[in-house]
Amino acid sequence: LAKTTQPISMDSYEGQEVNITCSHNNIATNDYITWYQQFPSQGPRFIIQGYKTKVTNEVASLFIPADRKSSTLSLPRVSLSDTAVYYCLVGEGAAGNKLTFGGGTRVLVKP
Amino acid sequence: GAGVSQSPSNKVTEKGKDVELRCDPISGHTALYWYRQSLGQGLEFLIYFQGNSAPDKSGLPSDRFSAERTGGSVSTLTIQRTQQEDSAVYLCASSFGTSGGWGEQFFGPGTRLTVL
Repeated sequence: LAKTTQPISMDSYEGQEVNITCSHNNIATNDYITWYQQFPSQGPRFIIQGYKTKVTNEVASLFIPADRKSSTLSLPRVSLSDTAVYYCLVGEGAAGNKLTFGGGTRVLVKP
Repeated sequence: GAGVSQSPSNKVTEKGKDVELRCDPISGHTALYWYRQSLGQGLEFLIYFQGNSAPDKSGLPSDRFSAERTGGSVSTLTIQRTQQEDSAVYLCASSFGTSGGWGEQFFGPGTRLTVL
């Protein structure tokens, strides 16, 4: 199993950039890295997915170094509504069925 | 369009009773996942269905847990002889499948199970 490790919590302020790093030292060749956002009493919501280098969409960027043993989710110019728990998910590969979520990072955005 | 739906939204049961949790995935999604989330904790993977293939059940926490998916659509997670430690939110997700990566999973709102 690809074990993942994330910081437990992070505080930020409105308008700042938030970077959350996930460690996944034993990531497999076929694994993708996916990040989800979860608000209280809701199911997680997909943010972004990547395999290597950099991926950017309208809400976030994902940076993955060449060794792929970590990844960093970058949230530009956060607002109060970005306060949530962010999960890093590493798939075990196309032939495997066990998916490993990190423990989640609780991000608190302050005014 | 309709998202993933789960029922019931809340279930309170007594220790030792059996419960069934239902998940209706998004139409056309071939992959379906069940997760468990205990209070204040992260998501624990339970089981995964891909099309008509037999699921990998090794993530289920004990033999009291079982799941099935009928006709490649609706799924039921059954917990027999419930214990207090089974209390959690049970989340279901579906996706188009795993070609080229796990892709975007769409999660339902969850079923909050409380075992007294």
